Amino acid sequence: EAQVTQNPRYLITVTGKKLTVTCSQNMNHEYMSWYRQDPGLGLRQIYYSMNVEVTDKGDVPEGYKVSRKEKRNFPLILESPSPNQTSLYFCASSPIKGLSTDTQYFGPGTRLTVL
Amino acid sequence: GIQVEQSPPDLILQEGANSTLRCNFSDSVNNLQWFHQNPWGQLINLFYIPSGTKQNGRLSATTVATERYSLLYISSSQTTDSGVYFCAVSTSGTYKYIFGTGTRLKVLA
Repeated sequence: EAQVTQNPRYLITVTGKKLTVTCSQNMNHEYMSWYRQDPGLGLRQIYYSMNVEVTDKGDVPEGYKVSRKEKRNFPLILESPSPNQTSLYFCASSPIKGLSTDTQYFGPGTRLTVL
Repeated sequence: GIQVEQSPPDLILQEGANSTLRCNFSDSVNNLQWFHQNPWGQLINLFYIPSGTKQNGRLSATTVATERYSLLYISSSQTTDSGVYFCAVSTSGTYKYIFGTGTRLKVLA
């Protein structure tokens, strides 16, 4: 089954404790992206990647790191989480289509609480 | 940067009614997509529609790129259509996406 998976689905942690949220897709998509969703603010893009070893900042990259060492995986790293990073996080993937992407497919989301 | 506005912010319908959701954007785009977030939080792609018109069952969408807006039509609404509808755009020369703040739809039985 074609899908985007995220782990963990739920996480409660404390300020400053490094964490990684994993994202994996089995559709051989070049493009992968991370978003956070907060009430009243919709979805905001954190980072995206056009292919292996190619990443770029979205609108809200501060406090996050990413890496793309394999095509299928795009982990999101919070080196020192803070309470303002409490949010619902989504990973997405898409084929590249010309100078843009095709339809994005989203993972199920990761709800993160930082105390 | 580009601004994306969706209207109306909230909509309540009786089952069977039709509705039109609007997405306005402030600059030219090379990509526009519509998504539905169901009450369980899952995001489902509806349309990839940078221009023109597409239909999928009871849903259809039209993007008029030259006038910087897109419309999502829902006909004969069902309770399962409830949730939040988002449009997302990307501009030329970038793979960055900007989402609108969404239209929250509730369909009553």
